[in-house]
Amino acid sequence: QKEVEQNSGPLSVPEGAIASLNCTYSDRGSQSFFWYRQYSGKSPELIMFIYSNGDKEDGRFTAQLNKASQYVSLLIRDSQPSDSATYLCAENYTGRRALTFGSGTRLQVQP
Amino acid sequence: DTGVSQDPRHKITKRGQNVTFRCDPISEHNRLYWYRQTLGQGPEFLTYFQNEAQLEKSRLLSDRFSAERPKGSFSTLEIQRTEQGDSAMYLCASSVRGTTKDEAFFGQGTRLTVV
Repeated sequence: QKEVEQNSGPLSVPEGAIASLNCTYSDRGSQSFFWYRQYSGKSPELIMFIYSNGDKEDGRFTAQLNKASQYVSLLIRDSQPSDSATYLCAENYTGRRALTFGSGTRLQVQP
Repeated sequence: DTGVSQDPRHKITKRGQNVTFRCDPISEHNRLYWYRQTLGQGPEFLTYFQNEAQLEKSRLLSDRFSAERPKGSFSTLEIQRTEQGDSAMYLCASSVRGTTKDEAFFGQGTRLTVV
């Protein structure tokens, strides 16, 4: 069983809407969670990380973590066509530095 | 440019040939990672260095793969006797000790095509 699960999408939202991207993980030892954005043919770009239960906001982005439910999400407010990309969820846990990635969710923001 | 730098950006090689890729991390970063990514998948961990020490290797890493980081600066990843299944994007990332959550920043990647 893959350790980090994401719906592959595509998730299609109209411009200006809120995009909600979800990720579940299976390892209860997971400590930190990261969201990366990847444009087609490009490398992943770090958006934000979260390690405490609750919400963390950075500009138009909000990461949400619920360790009891083993669930991480990323909300993008006021979605723009330039947000169209694949969003990768990743996790690591104490004692291991490498990240385990999900397969990503493709987001399409329709103008 | 102070980001992670990878060279070459693209490599086409014939099956059975050896290839070597280079990664220059962000200068103050002492942690360096290699990942491999195929179409439609997330990056898959290959190996990790802290300074010059290779501290972790994926169980999936074939004996044909070897990585070095002499002097704890740049790193090289060599693939011997390449196979078509090695075709992928090879990504290097770096992070800095002291950042407890290990925010890793990726280079632009080397796209390998084995024909």
